[in-house]
Amino acid sequence: AQTVTQSQPEMSVQEAETVTLSCTYDTSESDYYLFWYKQPPSRQMILVIRQEAYKQQNATENRFSVNFQKAAKSFSLKISDSQLGDAAMYFCAYRALWGGSQGNLIFGKGTKLSVKP
Amino acid sequence: DAMVIQNPRYQVTQFGKPVTLSCSQTLNHNVMYWYQQKSSQAPKLLFHYYDKDFNNEADTPDNFQSRRPNTSFCFLDIRSPGLGDAAMYLCATSNFSGTGFRSNQPQHFGDGTRLSIL
Repeated sequence: AQTVTQSQPEMSVQEAETVTLSCTYDTSESDYYLFWYKQPPSRQMILVIRQEAYKQQNATENRFSVNFQKAAKSFSLKISDSQLGDAAMYFCAYRALWGGSQGNLIFGKGTKLSVKP
Repeated sequence: DAMVIQNPRYQVTQFGKPVTLSCSQTLNHNVMYWYQQKSSQAPKLLFHYYDKDFNNEADTPDNFQSRRPNTSFCFLDIRSPGLGDAAMYLCATSNFSGTGFRSNQPQHFGDGTRLSIL
């Protein structure tokens, strides 16, 4: 069974600085999707960035980028120029490509990011 | 804007009293999911519908049921809520097309319903 591990329960970053959130996963599949979701307090979970395992190029979305190391099964999120609005719980998630799961997400336990002004 | 809407945002019920949570979507997605998220934990998938096909996770308690009367609506029914069922319940949607599930479409989440048990 696939698992997702986020080893940092909490992280803190100074406004305008850069922070990296770690995520590792375990799977026997060769093709899959990885996601980072952001969940602000009492607010909707929203997609930050996605990565398709068959693509070697790391995904980027404005200030957000990933470091995808397929062999190491690592998928870290880098947030550049951190803003107060980035404060949230961040979840790393895995999704299998095939089978009867219809896109079920397997989440890590999350990393709570605080941004200091 | 197209979205996933969950009602109510907050729900209080009594121990053992049946409760229904609602989710609707304007995205016309063919898959709808229900997750349970307890405090400071990751969301845990309870079940999902792929069109009309219901898929239950193996460890979802029998106390939890779901209905999807049409594409737009999906309900979560808790027949006899216990104190351990107090949680945030998240509804999400996604879309799959073609003969396989090779779609990079992400899941779109609602705001969630926070359920409290008295």
